[in-house]
Amino acid sequence: AAGVIQSPRHLIKEKRETATLKCYPIPRHDTVYWYQQGPGQDPQFLISFYEKMQSDKGSIPDRFSAQQFSDYHSELNMSSLELGDSALYFCASSFSTDTQYFGPGTRLTVL
Amino acid sequence: KNEVEQSPQNLTAQEGEFITINCSYSVGISALHWLQQHPGGGIVSLFMLSSGKKKHGRLIATINIQEKHSSLHITASHPRDSAVYICAVRSANTDKLIFGTGTRLQVFP
Repeated sequence: AAGVIQSPRHLIKEKRETATLKCYPIPRHDTVYWYQQGPGQDPQFLISFYEKMQSDKGSIPDRFSAQQFSDYHSELNMSSLELGDSALYFCASSFSTDTQYFGPGTRLTVL
Repeated sequence: KNEVEQSPQNLTAQEGEFITINCSYSVGISALHWLQQHPGGGIVSLFMLSSGKKKHGRLIATINIQEKHSSLHITASHPRDSAVYICAVRSANTDKLIFGTGTRLQVFP
């Protein structure tokens, strides 16, 4: 069965650079969630989209923005990267409020 | 105090043992997830439940809404069950998941 796809799987950036993370949900899923998991920490909710509209917002820095496109894939844009942004970024998808299925994550390292 | 608490934080077991991981939460929820995270980071959804009990293979999850408590049981544990098990609740008013701190399980042959 198709799973959530995230790209890239690994990303290395310098401070103050920008990064774009992509998430492709499971087919027919209409909701996408973004989570950030710092080293040794619990995942933290960043933002979610339902039917291409932002549905909820968590602890997402102003330097980050995200959107969901007409094909339901989502992109997380991160600007002015800081060392503290180094983390594993998970995307999850669901059909409405059903079970969230997680992608493999993108490991971002900021040098 | 965290909104989602798990116990124990670390658990070591011999292959074949019955394992229980507990989760207590303090917020109103619409659903509770049990997740499994392996070294390297990938997260797998095990269960989503809002009442009662669910079973999948050797895994059983229960929830008591009144007591705000859930348990994950693993029967006949195996070394490949070694992972971090995370309880996450979906707040009643939002989409977001609130994660517990996880239980690190190691099963030895």
